[in-house]
Amino acid sequence: DTGVSQDPRHKITKRGQNVTFRCDPISEHNRLYWYRQTLGQGPEFLTYFQNEAQLEKSRLLSDRFSAERPKGSFSTLEIQRTEQGDSAMYLCASSFQRGNTGELFFGEGSRLTVL
Amino acid sequence: TQLLEQSPQFLSIQEGENLTVYCNSSSVFSSLQWYRQEPGEGPVLLVTVVTGGEVKKLKRLTFQFGDARKDSSLHITAAQPGDTGLYLCAGPYNQGGKLIFGQGTELSVKP
Repeated sequence: DTGVSQDPRHKITKRGQNVTFRCDPISEHNRLYWYRQTLGQGPEFLTYFQNEAQLEKSRLLSDRFSAERPKGSFSTLEIQRTEQGDSAMYLCASSFQRGNTGELFFGEGSRLTVL
Repeated sequence: TQLLEQSPQFLSIQEGENLTVYCNSSSVFSSLQWYRQEPGEGPVLLVTVVTGGEVKKLKRLTFQFGDARKDSSLHITAAQPGDTGLYLCAGPYNQGGKLIFGQGTELSVKP
């Protein structure tokens, strides 16, 4: 399968614990995005990378969230000291971008439940 | 405040009916995209519209980009249960690389 893959698919954790999600994009794609989505709502932008550079991070994100994309390949999203409000689906997407228009290919998401 | 406002948020119709979903903004977008998302899966691109006034058709789905590039619509003719899902419009924020989404329209088509 050469699509976007995310791991784990489901994570249940206790409040205060740290969690890390991994995303493997389509190999030739230069951009990688992270979104958060709650039930029945549209994806909320978190951050995106072009190659290994993190070009933008949402101001909605607290300092507890950090993302990396070493070597411009896979990416990780870490949430420290999780809170119940962090419970959501975390979606990763990649694209091959020329200019501002490009199709985003999404993974199936990592669902986080914070107890 | 949503930069892209979709309406309606929920739509429940019978098989065979027609429907239109709207995506509106006070900002100009260089392009808009429509995605469809099924439960437990990521969104999948349906279409990208780039030119003001552009109309694109995908089988029973018709997409239109407003002349001023501030709005778009999705019209489905003779809806089928397989059309059920969350329909999302998206566009590049400030014409940059950040893609923002509307809040979505949840469509349910009953047989």
